[in-house]
Amino acid sequence: EAQVTQNPRYLITVTGKKLTVTCSQNMNHEYMSWYRQDPGLGLRQIYYSMNVEVTDKGDVPEGYKVSRKEKRNFPLILESPSPNQTSLYFCASSLSTVSLMNRNEKLFFGSGTQLSVL
Amino acid sequence: AQRVTQPEKLLSVFKGAPVELKCNYSYSGSPELFWYVQYSRQRLQLLLRHISRESIKGFTADLNKGETSFHLKKPFAQEEDSAMYYCAFNNAGNMLTFGGGTRLMVKP
Repeated sequence: EAQVTQNPRYLITVTGKKLTVTCSQNMNHEYMSWYRQDPGLGLRQIYYSMNVEVTDKGDVPEGYKVSRKEKRNFPLILESPSPNQTSLYFCASSLSTVSLMNRNEKLFFGSGTQLSVL
Repeated sequence: AQRVTQPEKLLSVFKGAPVELKCNYSYSGSPELFWYVQYSRQRLQLLLRHISRESIKGFTADLNKGETSFHLKKPFAQEEDSAMYYCAFNNAGNMLTFGGGTRLMVKP
C-alpha cells in the first residue's frame, strides 16, 4: 500500500533530550516535507526536501534538523527539544516538487506524531 | 511573504444548510490554491485544487483573483462533512503554505 509512515505515533520526552521522528515513503517520491500543527496556527512548514541531499528551510526551522540521505527517508531531528516544540508533526511527500505538481499529483500525509516536551 | 488566511476557526451549521469556508491569500501573481481536509482520526488529504475546477463531495471552490479569495462552498452540508479544512497556497515555489484551518461542524 502506498503510504507515508511516521514513527513514533506518540512521544513524551524531557527538555534537552535529543530525539528523532522518522518518516518513510514507499512511492519513490522526490519531494518530502515536515509540518507542525498547532491550534490556531494551522500547519506550518518546518523543512522540505526536493531530492536526496537537497533540503531547505520552511517557515519555522529553528530548533530542527533534517537529513535526506535516501529518497525514501526524511527524519526530523530535535537536537535539544524544548517545551515550545510540543506539537503534532506531519510528514508529507509528493512525486515531484510543489512547483512542478501537475493536476494529478498531491501531497500524501503521514498519520502524525504527537510530541510532548516536558 | 505569501500568506493564507482563514478567518473562521470554527464554523457550525445544520445539516442541509449551505456552507462557505473562507480563504484569502496575499500574493500579486498567479497562485495555485488547494483545499485539504482532515476528518477525525484520518490523515490530511487533498480535497480539491483550483486548476482542476472540479467538484469533490459536493464542494466547489472558485479562485477570485480580484478579491484574492478561494472560498470553499457546498450548497447542502452533510454530517460527514464535519472535519478540519485547510486552505493551501503555492506561488510556483517549493513550499506549500497552509492557512490556520477552519473546523466545520455539521449538526443534525
